[in-house]
Amino acid sequence: EAGVTQFPSHSVIEKGQTVTLRCDPISGHDNLYWYRRVMGKEIKFLLHFVKESKQDESGMPNNRFLAERTGGTYSTLKVQPAELEDSGVYFCASSQLPGRGQSYEQYFGPGTRLTVT
Amino acid sequence: AQKVTQAQTEISVVEKEDVTLDCVYETRDTTYYLFWYKQPPSGELVFLIRRNSFDEQNEISGRYSWNFQKSTSSFNFTITASQVVDSAVYFCALSEGGTSYGKLTFGQGTILTVHP
Repeated sequence: EAGVTQFPSHSVIEKGQTVTLRCDPISGHDNLYWYRRVMGKEIKFLLHFVKESKQDESGMPNNRFLAERTGGTYSTLKVQPAELEDSGVYFCASSQLPGRGQSYEQYFGPGTRLTVT
Repeated sequence: AQKVTQAQTEISVVEKEDVTLDCVYETRDTTYYLFWYKQPPSGELVFLIRRNSFDEQNEISGRYSWNFQKSTSSFNFTITASQVVDSAVYFCALSEGGTSYGKLTFGQGTILTVHP
């Protein structure tokens, strides 16, 4: 079974440009999460999809970030326009849909390293 | 708000030594889940273990063992007879029950280097 995949693995863009990151979750996983690790800091939650719906986007830094999950399958995270502080590693994770009050382990992709110059 | 603290930024050991990675957490929920993930040099986060707040039994998996103590809000991870392949960044994480829907709060990570 294929794991979580992310594309691209590395992106270098100039300040002000637009970048779109893609995540393909494990087949059958309704939960999809985006996280980000800025250099030297902890991994922080950005947002959570259940199928195609945004369940929680409390971690999104500002309105320059737009996430979508078309048809409840793959997800994209667009940064427009990119700023220097957006540099970091963006992780995507997926998990099964748990029952009430439960939590299943999340399986992570390899991350996309974004460098804004 | 929940918080996870991994006080050890870096640990360096020689092969075959035992090493313990510390994790302390804070949460107001009575139902929560604790996790450990390993990030090898290749970059992906590899799931190691999940524990729920109602199960304080320690767990052993090969050379890995975990000590969960609610009284001290700790969930420590021990590697016995460490090997070079254990070199990685290790993250402890917390997920609250209720309506958090599995959102993970991570510690800062501990860089473990095992020397031959």
